[in-house]
Amino acid sequence: EAGVVQSPRYKIIEKKQPVAFWCNPISGHNTLYWYLQNLGQGPELLIRYENEEAVDDSQLPKDRFSAERLKGVDSTLKIQPAELGDSAVYLCASSLEHRLAGAPGEQFFGPGTRLTVL
Amino acid sequence: QKEVEQNSGPLSVPEGAIASLNCTYSDRGSQSFFWYRQYSGKSPELIMFIYSNGDKEDGRFTAQLNKASQYVSLLIRDSQPSDSATYLCAVLNDYKLSFGAGTTVTVRA
Repeated sequence: EAGVVQSPRYKIIEKKQPVAFWCNPISGHNTLYWYLQNLGQGPELLIRYENEEAVDDSQLPKDRFSAERLKGVDSTLKIQPAELGDSAVYLCASSLEHRLAGAPGEQFFGPGTRLTVL
Repeated sequence: QKEVEQNSGPLSVPEGAIASLNCTYSDRGSQSFFWYRQYSGKSPELIMFIYSNGDKEDGRFTAQLNKASQYVSLLIRDSQPSDSATYLCAVLNDYKLSFGAGTTVTVRA
């Protein structure tokens, strides 16, 4: 079974430029998450989708960040314009509905996109 | 106060010893508790989960949960060099998973 797929793996951009990250969750996982992980810190949730609906975007900085999951499968996270402080690893994760999961709440993470803003 | 706090580390243990990792959480309504392992430059992977008070053992790993004290721990017995990684404690509350900053473990051969 394929895991969570993310691209690109690495991205280097100048500040004020736009950037986009793509995620394809594990087949059958209806819940998708975007996290930001700074060096030496745990992942911090940016947004959670149930199918195509963003059910928790309270931590997403909406002035510059946006996300979409139009058909309830893959998702895109965008930053426009990027700032120096946005340099981090952006992780995508997915999970089954709790009632179907062997470990309800378990999230499966993709390899992440390491963003460097110069 | 952070939602999830872990002992800061780094923790260095000799091969074959027990590594003990601690985690406290602030929300008494938290439902489920997870330990993820993250190798350098890699993504987190689940190694243990626990829902009920007490101990849960899986191979060389034992998770302990005390909801009254809002405390979760992970013991790694017979530590191996391959256990060298950062261990993240995560707490689930209303579908939101909150992570601690992680404890980095180094197992000395």
